[in-house]
Amino acid sequence: EDQVTQSPEALRLQEGESSSLNCSYTVSGLRGLFWYRQDPGKGPEFLFTLYSAGEEKEKERLKATLTKKESFLHITAPKPEDSATYLCAVYETSGSRLTFGEGTQLTVNP
Amino acid sequence: DAGITQSPRHKVTETGTPVTLRCHQTENHRYMYWYRQDPGHGLRLIHYSYGVKDTDKGEVSDGYSVSRSKTEDFLLTLESATSSQTSVYFCAISAPGKLSDTQYFGPGTRLTVL
Repeated sequence: EDQVTQSPEALRLQEGESSSLNCSYTVSGLRGLFWYRQDPGKGPEFLFTLYSAGEEKEKERLKATLTKKESFLHITAPKPEDSATYLCAVYETSGSRLTFGEGTQLTVNP
Repeated sequence: DAGITQSPRHKVTETGTPVTLRCHQTENHRYMYWYRQDPGHGLRLIHYSYGVKDTDKGEVSDGYSVSRSKTEDFLLTLESATSSQTSVYFCAISAPGKLSDTQYFGPGTRLTVL
């Protein structure tokens, strides 16, 4: 069974304090790994898709990386507006659905 | 932003009553999904559709049914609502990607079953 584990569950940073969120996954074959951002009371917002180990994608202060067992979402010099819950999801090669982790709740204090 | 709307956005109902949630898309995408989101469980797939009148079960389909008579609309029905179905429900659509489908989510419906 596919498993996706995100850590930490919650993270508090000061504005400008860089850090990383982790997504560990167990699948028989990875078809794609997805990162989403979710603000309170809203639906998940798509950020990145990663397909193979070694791949990296960037968007503003966010950078996602992928290995064969985990993905990291690096946040460089975060701002309060980066506060949100970040969700990771995987799509298995033989599967027909996304499997989501429970998310990391990020709070960036000014 | 993907053109996805959900209605109603909030609903309070009583145990045993039927409830229908609607998802409407303007993107003409083939795939549509219904998820529920609960603390401690993350997002879980209820049902999905891969075309008009073509649907399949997800991870947590018991107690739910779906229908899709038009490309743009995907309905989720709780035939007899229970308190365990209190949740936030999200609709998603998928657009073809490089190697897999990227899913885009609607704003959600908060359902409370008393």
